[in-house]
Amino acid sequence: EVQLLESGGDFVQPGGSLRLACAASGFTISNNAVSWVRQAPGKGLEWVSTITGRGTGIYYADSVRGRFTISKDTSKNTLFLQMDSLRADDSAIYYCARNMGHVTYYFDYWGQGALVTVSS
Amino acid sequence: EIVVTQSPATLSVSPGERATLSCRASQSVSSNLAWYQQKPGQAPRLLIFGASARATGIPARFSGSGSGTEFTLTISSLQSDDFAVYYCQQFNNWPLTFGGGTKVEIK
Repeated sequence: EVQLLESGGDFVQPGGSLRLACAASGFTISNNAVSWVRQAPGKGLEWVSTITGRGTGIYYADSVRGRFTISKDTSKNTLFLQMDSLRADDSAIYYCARNMGHVTYYFDYWGQGALVTVSS
Repeated sequence: EIVVTQSPATLSVSPGERATLSCRASQSVSSNLAWYQQKPGQAPRLLIFGASARATGIPARFSGSGSGTEFTLTISSLQSDDFAVYYCQQFNNWPLTFGGGTKVEIK
């Protein structure tokens, strides 16, 4: 059974940093692209970042490029999102999701999310 | 960036009736479109990919159609479990983009 479990969500001040983790089970992240998708309170879904199975393809939304870094540890089958220079509009539930597709992707399995609140 | 627009924002439907949700892309995405269902406090769930293929375990009352820039999600006979927010997502181009969602509520 495919499962994704996020951790690391917290309350942080503007300009601060946070690192999210997503532990995957039931599949191998070295064989699948995985992504982060966020949802601000009461708002819709926004794709944030994707890393391919081999790790050679990394993609970011313009809103986070230069501030967020996606990475993974295949030995732990875990995905990470390092978030720096956080702003109030980064406040959201952050979901990790397994990707399906070839060059671009849709999301077939989702975690339950990690809440990030950026506020002074 | 491909802008994805969903309509209507809210759809009021009685149980047992048909619901038709629309999704429009600002440029052609071929058949590279997915639909998701999200209930309050839950993660999204994949319903449809490739514009018309049902994901594993999705009931046959859910169907998707369309290609290019115009897409439709149809729920043939709404059940109580179907009242939720529905999102479409294009995966033809980077960045991956979602529509703003359609809330299906009980009439």
